[in-house]
Amino acid sequence: DVKVTQSSRYLVKRTGEKVFLECVQDMDHENMFWYRQDPGLGLRLIYFSYDVKMKEKGDIPEGYSVSREKKERFSLILESASTNQTSMYLCASSLGAVYNSPLHFGNGTRLTVT
Amino acid sequence: DQQVKQNSPSLSVQEGRISILNCDYTNSMFDYFLWYKKYPAEGPTFLISISSIKDKNEDGRFTVFLNKSAKHLSLHIVPSQPGDSAVYFCAAISGNTPLVFGKGTRLSVIA
Repeated sequence: DVKVTQSSRYLVKRTGEKVFLECVQDMDHENMFWYRQDPGLGLRLIYFSYDVKMKEKGDIPEGYSVSREKKERFSLILESASTNQTSMYLCASSLGAVYNSPLHFGNGTRLTVT
Repeated sequence: DQQVKQNSPSLSVQEGRISILNCDYTNSMFDYFLWYKKYPAEGPTFLISISSIKDKNEDGRFTVFLNKSAKHLSLHIVPSQPGDSAVYFCAAISGNTPLVFGKGTRLSVIA
């Protein structure tokens, strides 16, 4: 069974801090994604990666960056946290195209920026 | 511009009855559609999918219907159970682009 692990379930950070959200998957998936979930806004794609050292902007990349140095790990970085980045962050992975392999999600990190 | 729309933020259904969750899309290039279910404090889990070459796909109590001409799909849950209470996300894809999700519908099944 695919396991996508997000390092923290809950995180509280101060405005201006640099924040790292870590995600690891154990099934050798090529594709990894970061979404955020907000009430009334659904799931919005921040960044994604189809290969090691590769990254693509999603729909809302502003204020974020990512790092994928190893296939199994995809990190989301908030360069200078702001209160409007308080949200539930969800990491996901898939093996190849979604037609053959649906996205598998981690349990999320609820980030609060004060 | 929202490409995948779930116009009902919430839905309440009696246990044992049918739940119907609706989803509309605007991008005619979408060729594969998925439904995900999400419980609080957990990540979404894949529920059921349908290819654009089909108009129906069934998996146990869950059936997804696709009406391409209307750009509409629906998820039917029969019979509904209290454990089905969750947020349901509709998602769509074309080619190698990432999934596009709707805003979700919160289903409450009342015992």
